[in-house]
Amino acid sequence: DADVTQTPRNRITKTGKRIMLECSQTKGHDRMYWYRQDPGLGLRLIYYSFDVKDINKGEISDGYSVSRQAQAKFSLSLESAIPNQTALYFCATSDSGKGDSTDTQYFGPGTRLTVL
Amino acid sequence: KQEVTQIPAALSVPEGENLVLNCSFTDSAIYNLQWFRQDPGKGLTSLLLIQSSQREQTSGRLNASLDKSSGRSTLYIAASQPGDSATYLCAVRGTYKYIFGTGTRLKVLA
Repeated sequence: DADVTQTPRNRITKTGKRIMLECSQTKGHDRMYWYRQDPGLGLRLIYYSFDVKDINKGEISDGYSVSRQAQAKFSLSLESAIPNQTALYFCATSDSGKGDSTDTQYFGPGTRLTVL
Repeated sequence: KQEVTQIPAALSVPEGENLVLNCSFTDSAIYNLQWFRQDPGKGLTSLLLIQSSQREQTSGRLNASLDKSSGRSTLYIAASQPGDSATYLCAVRGTYKYIFGTGTRLKVLA
């Protein structure tokens, strides 16, 4: 089984709809991240969480919200989807980066979201 | 603000060739640098991570180097194979997050 899973893998929705993307991990990592990837723009950080009670905005958080339900689960919501949120969304995890850990990022398979 | 650049954006080489992918960054105050591979429509797979105190890391046919002072990293791929065809991304970690380059799309021709 994959260490980082994302659901759904593909989603087509309409402008104004509320959408939730879910991420689960079995790596036991405390840090989780949401990115979006657009052609020519690379990956950009939306939100990140260093533990269940620590959630922070990334560089493009407007129009998005997140919830860290447990150490292993981190969900991303689009409250009112708009067409320019059409993108490939990735969840990632990493360890704490302390001691012998390396803070290596591990990515899920991605969710392709299309907003019409 | 940290910026990460990867040149070239795309590269085609014949099978068997040794090649170098480049990554440059503007702020040398980094904790580490990570190279990833991404296949079309798929997630990112970590290839190598270099801590800021290290100069290089090796894994099989891959060798990554880091020169913090000049803001540069290279990924060397030896004896390239068609299966190496993918997009390669580098990412630098600052205080709390990674900043990604836009990637180099590599095609190895059989």
